[in-house]
Amino acid sequence: GEDVEQSLFLSVREGDSSVINCTYTDSSSTYLYWYKQEPGAGLQLLTYIFSNMDMKQDQRLTVLLNKKDKHLSLRIADTQTGDSAIYFCAERGGSSGTYKYIFGTGTRLKVLA
Amino acid sequence: KAGVTQTPRYLIKTRGQQVTLSCSPISGHRSVSWYQQTPGQGLQFLFEYFSETQRNKGNFPGRFSGRQFSNSRSEMNVSTLELGDSALYLCASSLDANEQFFGPGTRLTVL
Repeated sequence: GEDVEQSLFLSVREGDSSVINCTYTDSSSTYLYWYKQEPGAGLQLLTYIFSNMDMKQDQRLTVLLNKKDKHLSLRIADTQTGDSAIYFCAERGGSSGTYKYIFGTGTRLKVLA
Repeated sequence: KAGVTQTPRYLIKTRGQQVTLSCSPISGHRSVSWYQQTPGQGLQFLFEYFSETQRNKGNFPGRFSGRQFSNSRSEMNVSTLELGDSALYLCASSLDANEQFFGPGTRLTVL
């Protein structure tokens, strides 16, 4: 079945770049997403990329998609302490009316001052 | 524009009881999805409602049910609560299928 995998932890120093990686299995996925979850809060949509794109940049965030390897990454430039959170990768599979979102286990990013 | 709201934010119940959680989507959004988040299983899809009809369903037992009203507000019900139902229940609304916006969640503790 569909599966989305992420590493569990990442620790970086403030001001450095963070790269969070994700692999997925559903080759029919049309959209891939990155969400951020802070303690005690719901998920905040950060950005998403359509499957026919290789890269998307949005301010400090850069998403890279390697569709051949089913690999997605999120790069956060100039990481700040406020970026400390859990980051979830998600894919949308299925067809119109039966879309399903599959989420990864989340990567806990810790930013050291 | 107000975001997705969920009530209550915290709930404590005992085994065997039932519970109803509420979700108000962003104005104009007709799709509401529910997810269960636990440390062990992560985020798992429960069901999706669109225009008062269940459009999509995950792999949860029949104790988990939901409904959607004509104003797009949705409720989720869990009957005969078990300890394993303790989780953060998240609701997400969407205007189209490309973006989902999540509420803050309801944290349910079953004792």
